[in-house]
Parts: sequence; C-alpha cells; structure tokens
Amino acid sequence: SQQGEEDPQALSIQEGENATMNCSYKTSINNLQWYRQNSGRGLVHLILIRSNEREKHSGRLRVTLDTSKKSSSLLITASRAADTASYFCATDSGDYKLSFGAGTTVTVRA
Amino acid sequence: DGGITQSPKYLFRKEGQNVTLSCEQNLNHDAMYWYRQDPGQGLRLIYYSQIVNDFQKGDIAEGYSVSREKKESFPLTVTSAQKNPTAFYLCASSRPGQGKGYTFGSGTRLTVV
Repeated sequence: SQQGEEDPQALSIQEGENATMNCSYKTSINNLQWYRQNSGRGLVHLILIRSNEREKHSGRLRVTLDTSKKSSSLLITASRAADTASYFCATDSGDYKLSFGAGTTVTVRA
Repeated sequence: DGGITQSPKYLFRKEGQNVTLSCEQNLNHDAMYWYRQDPGQGLRLIYYSQIVNDFQKGDIAEGYSVSREKKESFPLTVTSAQKNPTAFYLCASSRPGQGKGYTFGSGTRLTVV
C-alpha cells in the first residue's frame, strides 16, 4: 500500500529559484527517504532521514521531518535545468520494504 | 563498478504469454525488490526477497512469480494471469539495517501487443 503522499503533484519554477515539495504519511516510520527519477529511468536515492532526526542537508538539498505531523519536506535550492525530474518520498516502517508516494514532477525552466 | 542491471529495456508480450524480466546485481546486497510503476503514479511493490531461496508477496503479487536461487539474481515472471501487465517494472536491491537507500535498475518497459 502507498503510505506517502507528495504535494504538490507538479511544480514549475525558474532556474535559480528554490523548489519545495512535501510528503505526508500515515503510520510510524524508522526512516524516510527521497528519490529522484528522470523520465523513463530508474530511481536514484537522494537522502535518508531517520525518525529521530529533524533536518538533514546534502549539497543543495535540505530535508526536514516532523514525526508529530507525520510529514517531511524536500527543498532544492538554486535549481538547475538538470533538476527537472520526478521526486518521490518513501517510508521505511521497519517491515523490510519501502512504500512510495505518487511523486512530485518538477520542471525547471531556463 | 557495482550496480544493478535489468534486461531487456523494452519487452513486448502477446496475450496469453508468460515473459521473464531479468534483474542482476553485483553489490553483494542481501535484499532485492520488484516494483511496478504505471504512468503518473508511484511505485507498487510486487515481490521482495530478504535472502536466497526466500521471498514474500508485496501489495500486487497476483499474476506474477519470482525466484531467488542466487544472491545476485531475482527474475520476475509476468504470467498470463496478469490481466493488465503493461507498465514500467523496476528492480531494486538494498542491504537492510545499513541505513542506506535502495539501488535501482534502469527498468524494463513491458507492453502487451
């Protein structure tokens, strides 16, 4: 079953702007992960945040996690054309498999 | 370089045929997974395997079968019982408990003709 739900479904921004997308989930988790998928390709792991962490950074990516609200956000700063992709959150509830949301499609305009 | 390889990239199936999708990894990962992705949607879990010779059904296992005879290989068979098999199939692997994400293959696009 799909636990995560991303919002918005689609996002269009100008190059250099920041992009923010959110993920909500339903049950308790061990960790939450974000992935990127370029059109017609496999997913690439971006970042993992554990349930006892509140914020994590990796390059131009910033992820927050609020377990009390069962939500996470992914911020991409200073976006580039190469950031155009779909972004998925995935939750690990300790049952040895990830549940993915439907994704946010990000388009970065030159 | 270590990675996960899916083949073929494109596959066409006639009605009533069984087809097998290949997934091989050289990452020494214990766990492997098969997901299905339909247009504009997220990934749905078909089957997963934590160790050799053992696997479990995911959320949408009906019409699919798998085997895990070797650590490196986790082939997926789409049987004729799967009534709507046209989709993008993704294989992934991981090392559970390491706090790292999944490694995905590049996918197989299956079309019923």
